[in-house]
Parts: sequence; structure tokens; C-alpha cells
Amino acid sequence: AQSVSQHNHHVILSEAASLELGCNYSYGGTVNLFWYVQYPGQHLQLLLKYFSGDPLVKGIKGFEAEFIKSKFSFNLRKPSVQWSDTAEYFCAVNYHGNSGTASKLTFGTGTRLQVTL
Amino acid sequence: EAQVTQNPRYLITVTGKKLTVTCSQNMNHEYMSWYRQDPGLGLRQIYYSMNVEVTDKGDVPEGYKVSRKEKRNFPLILESPSPNQTSLYFCASSLGPRGALTEAFFGQGTRLTVV
Repeated sequence: AQSVSQHNHHVILSEAASLELGCNYSYGGTVNLFWYVQYPGQHLQLLLKYFSGDPLVKGIKGFEAEFIKSKFSFNLRKPSVQWSDTAEYFCAVNYHGNSGTASKLTFGTGTRLQVTL
Repeated sequence: EAQVTQNPRYLITVTGKKLTVTCSQNMNHEYMSWYRQDPGLGLRQIYYSMNVEVTDKGDVPEGYKVSRKEKRNFPLILESPSPNQTSLYFCASSLGPRGALTEAFFGQGTRLTVV
């Protein structure tokens, strides 16, 4: 079965520290990759996405992610976190269906990031 | 403004009392889906729809029904809710061209408690 793994369940960082959140997905052919953020009490919002081309993608609020196909990974990074980045972060993968029909979005279990002042 | 609207935002109900959570999108998206979010489990897909009158089961469909009579609406129906369906529910839509999904837009969520 297709799966997405986020190994960091809870990360605590001080403001200005660098962030890297891991995301690995199971092999399944062609994929689209996403990172979503959920601020406390809110819905999911797209941070960034990768469909093709440059494997280093930049998103909103200074976040970036690198797609490494050989490692089936799509790690999220930010050089310097802010208190307002406190949120839950979800990696998601869309595995293209072999039949050509739209396939579902598979989410990781999420990483809770807590940024302290 | 492009958006996905869910109602209600909060709902407390009793076991066995049928309920419907509505979802509507104004982006003319083909693909819509329902997820439930539970601590430590992330988001799991309940049902999805690739277009009007086309629906299919996701990972955790038991106890749920959906319908897609119009492109913009995708209600989630719990015929006989049970306490294990207490969860946070999200509706999502995306353009969903054949063969791939584009970015998904999420509703604000419905927090359901079944007692």
C-alpha cells in the first residue's frame, strides 16, 4: 500500500533555529508532492508543491523543500523559524494512477512544530 | 473568493442519529474528497468523487456515505453515527485533471462529537 512517513512527530525549536522535517514515501511511480501547514484551530493550507522540474522548490513564508527521487524523500526546510511557524505540518503525496484516473492524496501523520521565544 | 465551505463547524450528536455535513466549493473543481483527522493518524481519506455521480471509497469508508449530484456539492452522511466517528472532518477539492491531482483546497473543518 502507498504510504507517507514523517519521522518527527514533535519538534521543539527556539526562534531563529533552522528547521528540517523529514518526509519519505513508498515507491509508486510518478508522484506529486506537497507540504501543508495547519495552524492551531485552522484548516490545512498549502506551503509548497512539487510536480516536475527543479527538485528544489520554494514555497510561502520562506519554506523550501527538496525532492530526492533516489531516496523517495521530500524534506521541508526553513533557515530560521519564527514563533508564528508554530503549527502542524503534513507531507502529502499523490501517486498517479496507472489507469489514468485521478488517484488520491496520501498524507503523513504530521509533525507538530513548537517554536519557543 | 475561491473557497471550500463546510457546515456545521461544530456538531455534538447522539449515537444513531443520522447527520449530514455539507461541503460546497466555488472553483468548478471536478475532484472532491472527505478526510478525517485523528491525533497520531494524520488525515485519512473517507470517500472521494472524480465528478458528478462518480464516487468511490477511500481508506476508511465504513459508516459513511456520500453523494455528488452537483459539481459544487459533496455532502458526507453518517446514517447511524457511533462514538468512534468522533473526529475532525475536512472536505477538500481540486481541479483533478485526469491522471493527476493538482493542489487541494480544504474547508475549515467540522469537529464532530458523537456521545
